[in-house]
Amino acid sequence: DAGITQSPRHKVTETGTPVTLRCHQTENHRYMYWYRQDPGHGLRLIHYSYGVKDTDKGEVSDGYSVSRSKTEDFLLTLESATSSQTSVYFCAISVVGEGPGELFFGEGSRLTVL
Amino acid sequence: TQLLEQSPQFLSIQEGENLTVYCNSSSVFSSLQWYRQEPGEGPVLLVTVVTGGEVKKLKRLTFQFGDARKDSSLHITAAQPGDTGLYLCAVRSGGSNYKLTFGKGTLLTVNP
Repeated sequence: DAGITQSPRHKVTETGTPVTLRCHQTENHRYMYWYRQDPGHGLRLIHYSYGVKDTDKGEVSDGYSVSRSKTEDFLLTLESATSSQTSVYFCAISVVGEGPGELFFGEGSRLTVL
Repeated sequence: TQLLEQSPQFLSIQEGENLTVYCNSSSVFSSLQWYRQEPGEGPVLLVTVVTGGEVKKLKRLTFQFGDARKDSSLHITAAQPGDTGLYLCAVRSGGSNYKLTFGKGTLLTVNP
């Protein structure tokens, strides 16, 4: 158990509203990730973080921002949600020292944008 | 162009049958990982293969990394309903040791 908690686990919102998903870890790992998973597209990287206040974009970062003000929390924000952002969002951590970048995932946050 | 191509996309078999799923690319990788994802949960790492030609076994699951390190296969012997899930391969990408790119996966259903 890598001690990853995602919240909320389920959310329904309307187009144009802001949404923030939270990923919390209990073990002070440096690398954290946000992926989205959609049928036909698999898992796609949105943003990742390699330390406090250090973040970088993934392959599908448009419409998303992230923040990491402390090691244990990595926030994903949709400033103005769109229906195309309906998805299941997974947070993951890389357990450095356990191998070449294996990821441990949270249980996912299912977001529906109406 | 997808970095990793997984096949088949869907596979439905009966309990006790054997199966093989594939992960292919035109690129060479230093390592490749296999994950399994059960419905409603996040993916869980099964194995990492590093050396060309490497074979790793995990109970009834056999993983092989191609000699040229461009492809990998997962073979399951005597499949059980508990093997049902989405099987994903992943590789490091973009010059980063810590950024993983995933294939789209093979959705396996094992019927009792």
